[in-house]
Amino acid sequence: AQSVTQLGSHVSVSEGALVLLRCNYSSSVPPYLFWYVQYPNQGLQLLLKYTTGATLVKGINGFEAEFKKSETSFHLTKPSAHMSDAAEYFCAVISYSSASKIIFGSGTRLSIRP
Amino acid sequence: NAGVTQTPKFQVLKTGQSMTLQCAQDMNHEYMSWYRQDPGMGLRLIHYSVGAGITDQGEVPNGYNVSRSTTEDFPLRLLSAAPSQTSVYFCASSYSIQGEPYFGPGTRLTVL
Repeated sequence: AQSVTQLGSHVSVSEGALVLLRCNYSSSVPPYLFWYVQYPNQGLQLLLKYTTGATLVKGINGFEAEFKKSETSFHLTKPSAHMSDAAEYFCAVISYSSASKIIFGSGTRLSIRP
Repeated sequence: NAGVTQTPKFQVLKTGQSMTLQCAQDMNHEYMSWYRQDPGMGLRLIHYSVGAGITDQGEVPNGYNVSRSTTEDFPLRLLSAAPSQTSVYFCASSYSIQGEPYFGPGTRLTVL
């Protein structure tokens, strides 16, 4: 069975500081991995995804994530936080099998301090 | 493209009432799904469909019905609303079961 764990339900960083949101997954077969962002009172928007190939994936708004198979991790980073990055972030996984459906983590709320 | 649209945006129901949440997509996606979002619990899959005429249950299907008569539409029916169904509901579509979902803006439902 596949699962996703997001460490920290709430992360607070100063504007201009590094953003690091942690995601670990379990999957018995190679996974597809995703990060979504949800701004207040809106739906989820895809930030970036990993399917195959290069393990460092770049997404929108300056975010990137690195797939580390040995650590079963897919942490999301951004070098310099901006006030507009305040939102909730969800990590998600699909296993590469026809019967699999996407599984979401419980989310991490990112706050940015001025 | 409008993407995934949902109506209504907000709804208040009394316990025992029924209603239908509408979802439509114009991307010709075969796979559609309904999720509910509750604080601290992420998104939980209610029902999904892999194509017109085919639906199946997700993680939390009790109290909800779906049908898929066309590729575009995937309505969610609450048969007899309960306070435990107070939540934000999201519809999503993807080109396949393994494709990344595209989400609608959500329906915020309160059951009194």
